[in-house]
Amino acid sequence: DIQMTQSPSSVSASVGDRVTISCRASQGISSWLAWYQQKPGKAPKLLIYAASSLQSGVPSRFSGSGSGTDFTLTISSLQPEDSATYYCQQANSFPLTFGGGTKVEIK
Amino acid sequence: QVQLHESGPGLVKASETLSLTCTVSGGSFSNYYWSWIRQPPGKGLEWIGYIYYSGNTNYNPSLRSRITISVDTSKNQFSLKLSSVTAADRAVYYCAACGMGRTNWFDPWGPGTLVTVSS
Repeated sequence: DIQMTQSPSSVSASVGDRVTISCRASQGISSWLAWYQQKPGKAPKLLIYAASSLQSGVPSRFSGSGSGTDFTLTISSLQPEDSATYYCQQANSFPLTFGGGTKVEIK
Repeated sequence: QVQLHESGPGLVKASETLSLTCTVSGGSFSNYYWSWIRQPPGKGLEWIGYIYYSGNTNYNPSLRSRITISVDTSKNQFSLKLSSVTAADRAVYYCAACGMGRTNWFDPWGPGTLVTVSS
């Protein structure tokens, strides 16, 4: 199985800050990576697919980058509604696996 | 747009079989792999498996011996059975649409249903 490791596990930032979340795959996955946002009590929501493609309807302050084993989700200007847990997921091979999550809190 | 909704018992006795159904509306049933994903309270996400409308399945090896995913195209539904449940199977169970080919990401998701295991 491909292991997905996210860092940090949590981050606290102020409104307007730039926030970066990392995701590392245990082996190369090309660009077969997705990012999700999950708010408490809700299902995850797809933000980014194919490492850097923005899902329709997702604000442009979210962006993704990377390929191979190292990936990044960036929130360019943190908003109050971005308080959530973010997960990466590899789609390169089965079983499909997720990172452990990064909790983003607003200071 | 495609919408999904899970249904089934919220409480299952240990050693028995968990059964959930996902009802799909608003889209073509043949355009996706229909997936189950679970999340223990306060923990991360685990992919369980998926089924195509033809009946072809793909299961997570960690659960393969205990799971069956089936499809009823006449009702636009697919179902999950997880046998011999233990306390470790307590989780929110989500159904989701999974892209085909190499685009195996999940969108959209159902709201999820919490399943608790009683001893």
